[in-house]
Amino acid sequence: SAVISQKPSRDICQRGTSLTIQCQVDSQVTMMFWYRQQPGQSLTLIATANQGSEATYESGFVIDKFPISRPNLTFSTLTVSNMSPEDSSIYLCSVEIGNLVYNEQFFGPGTRLTVL
Amino acid sequence: AQSVAQPEDQVNVAEGNPLTVKCTYSVSGNPYLFWYVQYPNRGLQFLLKYITGDNLVKGSYGFEAEFNKSQTSFHLKKPSALVSDSALYFCAVRDQGGGSQGNLIFGKGTKLSVKP
Repeated sequence: SAVISQKPSRDICQRGTSLTIQCQVDSQVTMMFWYRQQPGQSLTLIATANQGSEATYESGFVIDKFPISRPNLTFSTLTVSNMSPEDSSIYLCSVEIGNLVYNEQFFGPGTRLTVL
Repeated sequence: AQSVAQPEDQVNVAEGNPLTVKCTYSVSGNPYLFWYVQYPNRGLQFLLKYITGDNLVKGSYGFEAEFNKSQTSFHLKKPSALVSDSALYFCAVRDQGGGSQGNLIFGKGTKLSVKP
C-alpha cells in the first residue's frame, strides 16, 4: 500500500486566480493520477503523470488549464489555472504500486476547492 | 467503451441487516473490477477487487462481492451492516484489453446509510 498526503486539504479561491495542489507519497511510484470529483458526481480522470515525461491528459482536460509537474517518484503537483466557479470540486491524487493492470490504486485524502 | 452503472443513488439499511450495493459493467474484454469506499471528508479506500478465479471475493471490513459474468454484475455485499459502514461506495472497472494501463472507470457512487 501507500500513504498519500495532499496540500492544501481545502481552499476557497477567487475567480481568475490559480491554485497549486501538492501530492506526496511515502514510497517511490511510477504511476500517479489526478482525478476530479465534482459535487455529487463520480471521479473523472484528469491526467496521468509519469516521472520523466509529460503528463497524459484525458479528453476534456488541457495542459494550459491543469498543468502538472512530476519532478520525482514521490511527488506531483496539479495547478488549477484561471479558476471559475465550475472548477469547484474535490481534486484527488492517486498512485498505483507496480505496473500491472489489475493493481488497485491508492488515493490521497483530496483537496476540496471552492471558487467564488 | 468501458462503463460502470450503479443504479441506486442511495441504499438504506437497518443495522444488523444484510446489505447489497449493486454494480453492473460493460467492457469489450474481460474485466478487472474494484470496489472503493469514501468516508466523509476522506479519500477513497480500496475494499476489494476481482481479477480472475473464484467469483466470490472477500475484502476489507467484512465486505464481499460476487462476480457474475452472465449478468455482467459485481454487487457488493455484507451479511450484517454496521452504522459505521455508512459512506459513499464506488464500483470501478478496468478492461483487460485496454492496453498495459487501461484507465480505471468509476461508477457514479451509491450512498449507503445504515440506521441504528
